[in-house]
This record gives sequence, structure tokens and C-alpha cells, in this order.
Amino acid sequence: QVQLVQSGAEVKEPGASVKVSCKASGYTFTGYYIYWVRQAPGQGLEWMGWINPNSGSTNYAQKFEGWVTMTRDTSISTAYLELSRLKSDDTAMYYCARGGTRVWEASLGYWGQGTLVTVSS
Amino acid sequence: EIVLTQSPGTLSLSPGERATLSCRASQSVSFSYLGWYQQKPGQAPRLLLYGASSRATGIPDRFSGSGSGTDFTLTISRLEPEDFAVYYCQQYGWSPYTFGQGTKLEIK
Repeated sequence: QVQLVQSGAEVKEPGASVKVSCKASGYTFTGYYIYWVRQAPGQGLEWMGWINPNSGSTNYAQKFEGWVTMTRDTSISTAYLELSRLKSDDTAMYYCARGGTRVWEASLGYWGQGTLVTVSS
Repeated sequence: EIVLTQSPGTLSLSPGERATLSCRASQSVSFSYLGWYQQKPGQAPRLLLYGASSRATGIPDRFSGSGSGTDFTLTISRLEPEDFAVYYCQQYGWSPYTFGQGTKLEIK
């Protein structure tokens, strides 16, 4: 069965960086796009971007360009989301999710459990 | 970017009733690349529908979707107690693949 298991909660100070992992199992990791979505406390869902695990190509929402980096390690079927220069309003639950085999098959059928990132001094 | 506006913000209904949720896009969504998600407190979202009207695996047939262009609808034909949750639409026709702000479906 398809599973996405994310790393544990993080607490960071403003200005710091954090790297969240998303380990995939139950399918061919390089065959499906991985997306990242965040949700601030009590708020709605915010789409951040995607990574093609096969090629490593990425696409970020403009808001996240320059301070968010999505990478992957195919040897361990894991995708990563790195956030730099954290601010308090980056406090949110960060989800990874699996899309389809092609970039336009972008409905998100499988989700990780979420990683809570708290930014506080 | 495409802005999705969901209405109503909150919908109060009783089990057994029919729910109709709306999602309106600021511009036409290509190829009806629109999905609907359900989220319960403390849980990740769950995909209900993709391509505006196709049910995801395991989704009961009381959930249905319709629409094209800029106007989309999620209908729950007969509400079950487990259907009370927040519902989001998402378009994936144009990057960034934006979400609506959500509709909270609560028990009346």
C-alpha cells in the first residue's frame, strides 16, 4: 500500500532553516510527482510546489521562490522540503502528497501525516 | 494565479440532508482539472474527486461533482455523520495549483 511518512515536529528560531523529509513506500518513487502543501494553524491549504523525483526538476509557487528548496534522494525513496530564513508566519503543518505520473495529473491521492514546524523565539 | 472562491463559508445541515458546495474560479480551469478534498480535524486532507467529477478510489457514490469552466459543485446526496468536515477545492490546470479557502460542513 502507498505510504508517505514524514519526519517529526520541529521548533526553530526566526532566521533558521529546517528540512522536512517524506519517505515513500508501496510504489515506484521515481514514477510519481511529489507535492508540498502547508496549512497554518486554523487556516486553509496552501500549495507550495512539486518535484519530479525522476529528474529532480521542480516548480515552486512564486511566493516560495528563493527560500524553499525541494530535493529528493532516490536511493532511499525520500523527498525533502527545506525552508530557509524562517519567520513566525511560516509556522504551519507541512504536508507532502503524491500526484500522478505526469505533471498535469496533479490531484493528490496520497498524503503524508504532516510535519508541524513551529517558528518561535 | 487562479483564485478559487468557495461558498458558503459554513453550511449547517442535518444527517440525511443533501449538501451542495460551490467553487468558483477567477478564470477558466483547463480541462476541468479540479479536485475536491475533505479534511477532518487533526487529519491530512483526503481526495474525494478529481477531474471535477471522477470519484477517487474508495469514495462512496453519495459524493458527486459537476461543473466546468469557472463554476464547480460538490454534492453530497445524503449526509452521513462522518461527512461533517471541511471541504476544499483545488485547481491544477494552471500553476500555482491553488486551493479554495474551504467550506465547513457542520451538524445543525
